[in-house]
Amino acid sequence: DTGVSQNPRHKITKRGQNVTFRCDPISEHNRLYWYRQTLGQGPEFLTYFQNEAQLEKSRLLSDRFSAERPKGSFSTLEIQRTEQGDSAMYLCASRSEYEQYFGPGTRLTVT
Amino acid sequence: RKEVEQDPGPFNVPEGATVAFNCTYSNSASQSFFWYRQDCRKEPKLLMSVYSSGNEDGRFTAQLNRASQYISLLIRDSKLSDSATYLCVVPRGGSQGNLIFGKGTKLSVKP
Repeated sequence: DTGVSQNPRHKITKRGQNVTFRCDPISEHNRLYWYRQTLGQGPEFLTYFQNEAQLEKSRLLSDRFSAERPKGSFSTLEIQRTEQGDSAMYLCASRSEYEQYFGPGTRLTVT
Repeated sequence: RKEVEQDPGPFNVPEGATVAFNCTYSNSASQSFFWYRQDCRKEPKLLMSVYSSGNEDGRFTAQLNRASQYISLLIRDSKLSDSATYLCVVPRGGSQGNLIFGKGTKLSVKP
């Protein structure tokens, strides 16, 4: 499968715990995006990488959130001290010249 | 005006019906627009791109009215498989930027 992959697909965690998600983009895409989607809403932009450089961060990305793309290939999104409001689908996308391709997402539930 | 605003839906239509979704956007400088389709608990997938006045692909027609900052998606001869949420999308900062999604309009096609 040469599409965008994300792991894990589902994560249940207790409030206050840290979680980390991984995204593997389509190999030739140098742009990678993270979005968050809650029920009944469209995806909301979180952050964007071009190669290993993090070029833009949304105000939604609080201090508890950090994203990396150390070698310009896969990316990780970490949430520290999770809160119930962090429960959402976290979507990763990588971009060709014309289109953003989304991964299947990681569904986070904070109990 | 919100950055991207869509008909709230849901739209419940019989097979074979024609249905239209509307979307308005706030940034008059936007040059490109997209309609994404999202099935329940799946990632969004690009349905159509709109770069000029409109685009047609089989049963699907997207139209753009720049003066009114309005985009529409028309689906003719609805199929059961068209049931999904349709997301109106505008890139921020031109076509290279992150995507701004509307909340989506849910379509349910009934036999």
